[in-house]
Amino acid sequence: AQSVAQPEDQVNVAEGNPLTVKCTYSVSGNPYLFWYVQYPNRGLQFLLKYITGDNLVKGSYGFEAEFNKSQTSFHLKKPSALVSDSALYFCAVRANYGGSQGNLIFGKGTKLSVKP
Amino acid sequence: DAGVTQSPTHLIKTRGQQVTLRCSPKSGHDTVSWYQQALGQGPQFIFQYYEEEERQRGNFPDRFSGHQFPNYSSELNVNALLLGDSALYLCASSFNGFNQPQHFGDGTRLSIL
Repeated sequence: AQSVAQPEDQVNVAEGNPLTVKCTYSVSGNPYLFWYVQYPNRGLQFLLKYITGDNLVKGSYGFEAEFNKSQTSFHLKKPSALVSDSALYFCAVRANYGGSQGNLIFGKGTKLSVKP
Repeated sequence: DAGVTQSPTHLIKTRGQQVTLRCSPKSGHDTVSWYQQALGQGPQFIFQYYEEEERQRGNFPDRFSGHQFPNYSSELNVNALLLGDSALYLCASSFNGFNQPQHFGDGTRLSIL
């Protein structure tokens, strides 16, 4: 069965420091991976996706993610955290049925807290 | 360019009632998916509509049904509401192309008393 794991419920970072939010996945076949961010009382905003190609994917708001096939990981990173980055972050994998529009399978989310 | 819009934003119902939630997709999108997000959890896939038909369905009972209209907007209907149906219901739209990202609305917060 396909699944996504986000091993950390919360990540605390000081403003200006680099941040990493971890994600591991389990899929059969090629993984199609996504990161979304959710602010309080809002929906999910798309940050970036990995379909194929370079293992380092760049996305919105200065975020990037590193795909590692051997470790089945897709960690989200940012070189310098901002207080405004504080939010809930979700990693997701596209189910490999339903063709290119398979539904998303989400992790439980990681709360990122950036302190001034 | 309007994004995904959902209505209403909040709704309070009692057990046994029925509810209809509505979604207008982002301009240019033709595929609509619905997700249920319980408190403290990631979204769970309910179903997806394309060309006015249910294309995929998650592990939700038949009490959950939907519809897509010719203008691509969509409704989610839930019958015989249970306390456990209390959640944030998210609509996501996308273009039916190769791995196009899904764009989410702000959701409808449904509370069952």
